[in-house]
Amino acid sequence: QKEVEQDPGPLSVPEGAIVSLNCTYSNSAFQYFMWYRQYSRKGPELLMYTYSSGNKEDGRFTAQVDKSSKYISLFIRDSQPSDSATYLCAMSTGNTPLVFGKGTRLSVIA
Amino acid sequence: DAGITQSPRHKVTETGTPVTLRCHQTENHRYMYWYRQDPGHGLRLIHYSYGVKDTDKGEVSDGYSVSRSKTEDFLLTLESATSSQTSVYFCAITRDQGTEAFFGQGTRLTVV
Repeated sequence: QKEVEQDPGPLSVPEGAIVSLNCTYSNSAFQYFMWYRQYSRKGPELLMYTYSSGNKEDGRFTAQVDKSSKYISLFIRDSQPSDSATYLCAMSTGNTPLVFGKGTRLSVIA
Repeated sequence: DAGITQSPRHKVTETGTPVTLRCHQTENHRYMYWYRQDPGHGLRLIHYSYGVKDTDKGEVSDGYSVSRSKTEDFLLTLESATSSQTSVYFCAITRDQGTEAFFGQGTRLTVV
């Protein structure tokens, strides 16, 4: 079993839809959780950073962490064509390098 | 944008030749990482450094070596390139383990 599992998609939604992206993990020691967005032929860029459990909101983006279920989510409200990218989850215990999911490719259709 | 520069950005090399990729940062972050990204595999850690001359192996370190002689520079060397090392290579930096990672723009390496 991989430490971090992420559905690769692809996921295609109409403009304005609410998008839900998810990752599950097996290591209960993970404390730091991140979401990255990667456009084609570019490096990943940090989107959201959360520590431990709970929710964090930033504009149209909401990150949720449920440590009891070992499950994290990223919600995108009012999705735009410019949100079309690959989204990667990443997590760390705080004593180890980040472990990444394989990424979910999202297309938002105008 | 975080000050991370990777060079070269693109390279084509022949099987069996040595190749060195460079990562340069201006953020004075302690940790530096080399990842490779391949379809179906996502980002996989090759090696990382936690200080000058301090390095450790990652998940896919075979065939790669690294060096860090200065805080700002982290070099990745393919001793004898193989076609399986054709990939996109990303350098990343963090202030500490568990803090946000910032990535370079990547190096696209093709081994023919």
